[in-house]
Amino acid sequence: GAVVSQHPSWVICKSGTSVKIECRSLDFQATTMFWYRQFPKQSLMLMATSNEGSKATYEQGVEKDKFLINHASLTLSTLTVTSAHPEDSSFYICSAGVADPGSGQYFGPGTRLTVT
Amino acid sequence: DQQVKQNSPSLSVQEGRISILNCDYTNSMFDYFLWYKKYPAEGPTFLISISSIKDKNEDGRFTVFLNKSAKHLSLHIVPSQPGDSAVYFCAASALWNQGGKLIFGQGTELSVKP
Repeated sequence: GAVVSQHPSWVICKSGTSVKIECRSLDFQATTMFWYRQFPKQSLMLMATSNEGSKATYEQGVEKDKFLINHASLTLSTLTVTSAHPEDSSFYICSAGVADPGSGQYFGPGTRLTVT
Repeated sequence: DQQVKQNSPSLSVQEGRISILNCDYTNSMFDYFLWYKKYPAEGPTFLISISSIKDKNEDGRFTVFLNKSAKHLSLHIVPSQPGDSAVYFCAASALWNQGGKLIFGQGTELSVKP
């Protein structure tokens, strides 16, 4: 099956710094990738839809200047959390869309971000 | 506005019995409904899906039922096994909306006791 990887799997950073999370589709090309965040014991909330070669589409309430998304190739999308604050601490998960809608999306293993 | 809802945060079932997880939705334009299984600190794993034009889809121990008139779907797991213990998310997608972005319910934590 299709594999999506994320790097790093966990990261600790200080307030005010920026953190970049990578999402790669390892054995297929993904025109569209999605970024989610999950707080403990809560649902996965879609943050943005990333399309290769174009600007990301952000969900309502998500600050695009804070969560920078770049989808420069068909196998790589990056999420950069700029000027991180403790409230940005969360579990960030990416996924890649596939041609068969019945297969949903393939999810990465997630990245645990802790901002101190 | 919560378009996909899972009203039961948890469910406990005895091994070998049936687990029934429920999900309700509000948007009649959804094309597909999907169930994902998730462990803590991991990404969701796709389980089974159903197209909006069907009312049942079965894959091994997993069966999903869709009742469009009630805007309700359910996942049946039978027989339940201890390894099924995880959080189950219901999700819905609409192909016309940004390539099928998924909208998730809140999740139901299933515990299967030996």
